[in-house]
Amino acid sequence: DQQVKQNSPSLSVQEGRISILNCDYTNSMFDYFLWYKKYPAEGPTFLISISSIKDKNEDGRFTVFLNKSAKHLSLHIVPSQPGDSAVYFCAAGPGGGSEKLVFGKGTKLTVNP
Amino acid sequence: NAGVMQNPRHLVRRRGQEARLRCSPMKGHSHVYWYRQLPEEGLKFMVYLQKENIIDESGMPKERFSAEFPKEGPSILRIQQVVRGDSAAYFCASQGYTEAFFGQGTRLTVV
Repeated sequence: DQQVKQNSPSLSVQEGRISILNCDYTNSMFDYFLWYKKYPAEGPTFLISISSIKDKNEDGRFTVFLNKSAKHLSLHIVPSQPGDSAVYFCAAGPGGGSEKLVFGKGTKLTVNP
Repeated sequence: NAGVMQNPRHLVRRRGQEARLRCSPMKGHSHVYWYRQLPEEGLKFMVYLQKENIIDESGMPKERFSAEFPKEGPSILRIQQVVRGDSAAYFCASQGYTEAFFGQGTRLTVV
């Protein structure tokens, strides 16, 4: 029973182009969505988040879009850089603090020079 | 995530031994979450603890696994009589209002 799904296990893009990572969820109770970046042998690092009252949140090269009716969110990275190569996890929770997160399986992004 | 400290980083145990994984949350945080990442999988929630209390252990296997967060000292995830299937990366997280901050993890290998 996967409540958060990342259907693309991997993605490869050229440096300077846009990377789009997708995530779907099934639980209507989710109210807060996050993206984490993970390098090998390290813990996940928080990247960007969005609450359900918004449909877009931007932070530098990273933008997260939320389509609540479709239960879909995406992370856009523009322009992509080789240092962005990592595994990206989508996570969701009910919000409000002190709540466990449900993670997708991750998408491995490779940005080629 | 540098504020969440986990040790050891790597742990090798023989089948049947006990594994103890430690986590100290970020300063000022009194909640700790444990997650497990199996190979080729995402992170799966295991247990949520506050000081001296288990709040939610719905993700913990029913046997051999236990967790505590004493009044003093780190949180401990304990796995008794380890089996090969316990080999995974175990991450501890300290949660602010919304986002969780993760430690670097303990990679457990059962041989």
